[in-house]
Formats: sequence, structure tokens, C-alpha cells
Amino acid sequence: KAGVTQTPRYLIKTRGQQVTLSCSPISGHRSVSWYQQTPGQGLQFLFEYFSETQRNKGNFPGRFSGRQFSNSRSEMNVSTLELGDSALYLCASSPGLYSSYEQYFGPGTRLTVT
Amino acid sequence: AQTVTQSQPEMSVQEAETVTLSCTYDTSESDYYLFWYKQPPSRQMILVIRQEAYKQQNATENRFSVNFQKAAKSFSLKISDSQLGDAAMYFCAYRLPSNFGNEKLTFGTGTRLTIIP
Repeated sequence: KAGVTQTPRYLIKTRGQQVTLSCSPISGHRSVSWYQQTPGQGLQFLFEYFSETQRNKGNFPGRFSGRQFSNSRSEMNVSTLELGDSALYLCASSPGLYSSYEQYFGPGTRLTVT
Repeated sequence: AQTVTQSQPEMSVQEAETVTLSCTYDTSESDYYLFWYKQPPSRQMILVIRQEAYKQQNATENRFSVNFQKAAKSFSLKISDSQLGDAAMYFCAYRLPSNFGNEKLTFGTGTRLTIIP
């Protein structure tokens, strides 16, 4: 099985712009979670989608949003970028079923805001 | 709210020796999962080992084992026969069971492990 893929791997944006990151889960996985990783704040949970519905949300401002498509692929969007949004954005997928307890991570998208 | 604490920002160990990474957590739940993830310089987060809170037996995976002390809310990782490939950032993480509809992982701040040849 192919692993979790994230595109693009690297991105440079300017303050005030918006950005969309993509995550393709492992085939058959219905849950996709997003995390932000920064040196100062560590790994923080952004949100989780299961079967196209947001099931859980972290403590981030409304500029951070996401969605999931019927094929389980997920996108996250950040509007009005700030310098502090520079981070590694990781997504993780899992079957998302009640018996599941393991998540598989993608390689991440490195976002730099200048 | 659940919190995970890793009090050792950096650790180093001689190749072939044993090292233990510490993790404590705070929760009011009785059923949960604990994980150790490894993030090498390539940045791909990899699951090392997991422990279900209802299991008294400590989990083991080859050279990796945990010491799970539920009452003390402690979850340490022991790496035996350390290898150069073990060099990475190690994160301890907590999660509630999926029947709560919750895939959220709460991570500690990480321990950077260096292997000395």
C-alpha cells in the first residue's frame, strides 16, 4: 500500500496570502488529521475529518480551515498568512473506525511565510 | 485537558548501550492509548510502540520496550542495543479511544536522542 502523501512538500508564501495544502491518506483510510509543528509550540492538533465531516478541532483561529472529499483526500487552507504560520504541517491517516488506534503520518509540507 | 510532559529535551547514548526516555501525562480518563513516535531528520513521523491503558503488560517491539505505570501516569521508553539509526526526535503521545470519535493525538515536547559511535 502506498503511504500518506502530502503536496506540496515545500512552499514559500508572503504575509497576507492564502495557501492550500493537500493530503492523500492510505487507501481505505477514512480519517485524516492535521497537525502543525513549530520549534516553539511543538506538535499541535489542528483538526480531524472523517467521512467528509469535521469530527474534532484544535484551538486555532478561524483562518485555518479544512475539508475532506468523498475519496478521503483532505485539504487544509490558511487564509491571511502570518509570519507565525511558518511551520511543518503534518497529516495523518487512519481507518477512523472504533477499533482503530494507529495513525500513519505523511512526510509533511514545510510552509515558510515571508 | 490532557497533557503530556517529556522532561528530557536531549539525551545521548553510546552505540550498543541502553537508554530510557521519560514521559509523564495527566488525564482523568481510565481508558486511553499511549504512543512513542520517532521523527528522524528526514521528518517522517514513525510509530515506535503503543500501549493500551487497560493492559497491565508492558508493550515490547524488538529492541523497544515501555515501562507503563498507570497509577503514576508514567510511560517511559527503553531502547536496548542502541543503533545509529535510532538517532531521532522521540515524541510521547496520548489519545482517547476511537469510540469517543476522537483521533486527536496530544504530544509531548520531544526528546532529541543522539547516538555516539
